[in-house]
Amino acid sequence: GAVVSQHPSWVICKSGTSVKIECRSLDFQATTMFWYRQFPKQSLMLMATSNEGSKATYEQGVEKDKFLINHASLTLSTLTVTSAHPEDSSFYICSVARGDSGYTFGSGTRLTVV
Amino acid sequence: KQEVTQIPAALSVPEGENLVLNCSFTDSAIYNLQWFRQDPGKGLTSLLLIQSSQREQTSGRLNASLDKSSGRSTLYIAASQPGDSATYLCAVKGGAGSYQLTFGKGTKLSVIP
Repeated sequence: GAVVSQHPSWVICKSGTSVKIECRSLDFQATTMFWYRQFPKQSLMLMATSNEGSKATYEQGVEKDKFLINHASLTLSTLTVTSAHPEDSSFYICSVARGDSGYTFGSGTRLTVV
Repeated sequence: KQEVTQIPAALSVPEGENLVLNCSFTDSAIYNLQWFRQDPGKGLTSLLLIQSSQREQTSGRLNASLDKSSGRSTLYIAASQPGDSATYLCAVKGGAGSYQLTFGKGTKLSVIP
């Protein structure tokens, strides 16, 4: 199945700075990738759908200007958390859809904003 | 809107015991259902994928069943081991006009040596 690499696995940043998270599909050309957010003891909530070569589709309530998504190639999508604040601290996970073969997830990124 | 519920929220069993995790969903018009495992602070590892036309899937000590009409799935783990300790997530694709994955909150499993 597809292998998805996510980097970094954890990051600590100061309030007001921006953080970029990378999601790479290593062996599958992914026209679509997904970004999720997970709070402690909660399930995954879809933030946005990343489309190669076009704008991302954001879920209701997700600020597109705060969570910038770029999907410039079939193997790379990035999520940039701009002007991060402590309430943005969370676990962010990307995934790749493999048609009828289900979804493969990255290893996640733990973001802590101090 | 599709909703996925997992019961129980947490489960503790002695090593060697067989166990069943439950997942229910409100809209039966799904494309498929996928069971994942998540270790603390880690991403998701896919365990089993059941297409809407299938009744069950097996992989090693794991067996997942799907009853689409009743909106239920179960994950059966045979001869549990301490290494099985993790949170198990159920996710459905589709339902209520959505092509997205909808997750349950998971069942946290602890297997006691």
